[in-house]
Amino acid sequence: DIQMTQSPPSLSASVGDRVTITCRASQNINTHLNWYQQKPGKAPKLLIYAASTLQSGVPSRFSGSGSQTDFTLTITSLQPDDFAIYCCQQSYTSPWTFGQGTRVEI
Amino acid sequence: QVTLVQSGADVKKPGASVEVSCKASGYVFSRYYIYWLRQVPGQGLEWMGTINPGGGDTNYAQKFQGRFTMTRDMPTATVYMELSSLRFEDTAMYYCARVLGDYYGMDAWGQGTTVIVSS
Repeated sequence: DIQMTQSPPSLSASVGDRVTITCRASQNINTHLNWYQQKPGKAPKLLIYAASTLQSGVPSRFSGSGSQTDFTLTITSLQPDDFAIYCCQQSYTSPWTFGQGTRVEI
Repeated sequence: QVTLVQSGADVKKPGASVEVSCKASGYVFSRYYIYWLRQVPGQGLEWMGTINPGGGDTNYAQKFQGRFTMTRDMPTATVYMELSSLRFEDTAMYYCARVLGDYYGMDAWGQGTTVIVSS
């Protein structure tokens, strides 16, 4: 199975900050990488797919980059609604696997 | 709008089976795969299996092979999952989600169904 490792596990930031979260795959997954946001008690929400494509309706302050094994989710100018857990997921090969998540806290 | 509506929470005893439904609306049911996933409180997401509503073909995570079954009912646009031989560690939130294909991510999710396994 492909292992997905995210860092950091958590971070503290302020409104207006630029935040960067990384995700590393245990093998080459090309650009088959998706990012999700999850808030307590809610289902995840797709933010980015295919490593860098913004899902419809997602604010442009979210962006994704990377390929092969190393990927980044960037949030420019963090907003109050962005405090949540972010996780990556590889869609290169079954079983589809997820990172353990990064908690973004105030 | 696209919605996936799951059945309600359930409490089961060890060894029993649980069925969770996922009713789709707002899109062409046969054009999107449905994934089943679960999340143990405080932990990450775990993919359990995929069903193609159009053809009925399925793909199961090896971890759940033999005790996890997915089916679909086309007239009602509903997908079902059944997990049998329940264990305490199956206590989790279970989600369905739709996916267009490998490159597209899970763009719509059910609200989640809590399954508690307790004696």
